[in-house]
Amino acid sequence: EAGVTQFPSHSVIEKGQTVTLRCDPISGHDNLYWYRRVMGKEIKFLLHFVKESKQDESGMPNNRFLAERTGGTYSTLKVQPAELEDSGVYFCASSQYGNQPQHFGDGTRLSIL
Amino acid sequence: QKEVEQNSGPLSVPEGAIASLNCTYSDRGSQSFFWYRQYSGKSPELIMFIYSNGDKEDGRFTAQLNKASQYVSLLIRDSQPSDSATYLCAVTLSSGGSYIPTFGRGTSLIVHP
Repeated sequence: EAGVTQFPSHSVIEKGQTVTLRCDPISGHDNLYWYRRVMGKEIKFLLHFVKESKQDESGMPNNRFLAERTGGTYSTLKVQPAELEDSGVYFCASSQYGNQPQHFGDGTRLSIL
Repeated sequence: QKEVEQNSGPLSVPEGAIASLNCTYSDRGSQSFFWYRQYSGKSPELIMFIYSNGDKEDGRFTAQLNKASQYVSLLIRDSQPSDSATYLCAVTLSSGGSYIPTFGRGTSLIVHP
């Protein structure tokens, strides 16, 4: 079974630009999560989808971040406009049910210059 | 605010020894406890999960949970150099049906030959 895949693996953009990250969860997993890890800090929750609906977006830092999951399959996370503090590694994870352990992707390393 | 604390390490053990990794958490209502292993630049990989007080063994790994003292530990027997990685503790508190884990910063483990 294919794991959680994320694209791109790395992205370097300038402050003020827009970046879109993509996550393909494991097939059949209704639950999809986005996390971010800033250097030296712990992994922090951003939001949780159940199918195409946002179950919990309490971790989204501000309205420059927009997540979508049209059709309940893959998800995108757009940052517009990007700021320096948005740099970090963005992880996506999925699970079939909400109370099951989550499977993580390799992450997208985002650098804002 | 929910907190999960881990000693950042590095914890250095010789090959063949037992590595003991510890994690404490602040929220007494926490229900599920996970240990992830993360190699540099890779995704967190689930190693163990435990829900009830006591020990849970899987191969060379044993998770120990003590809810009264609010700690969870991971023992790795017969440590191998390939076990060298960062180990993340994650704790879940069900909130409105959304099982969102809170992560610790991780403990770096080095197993030297």
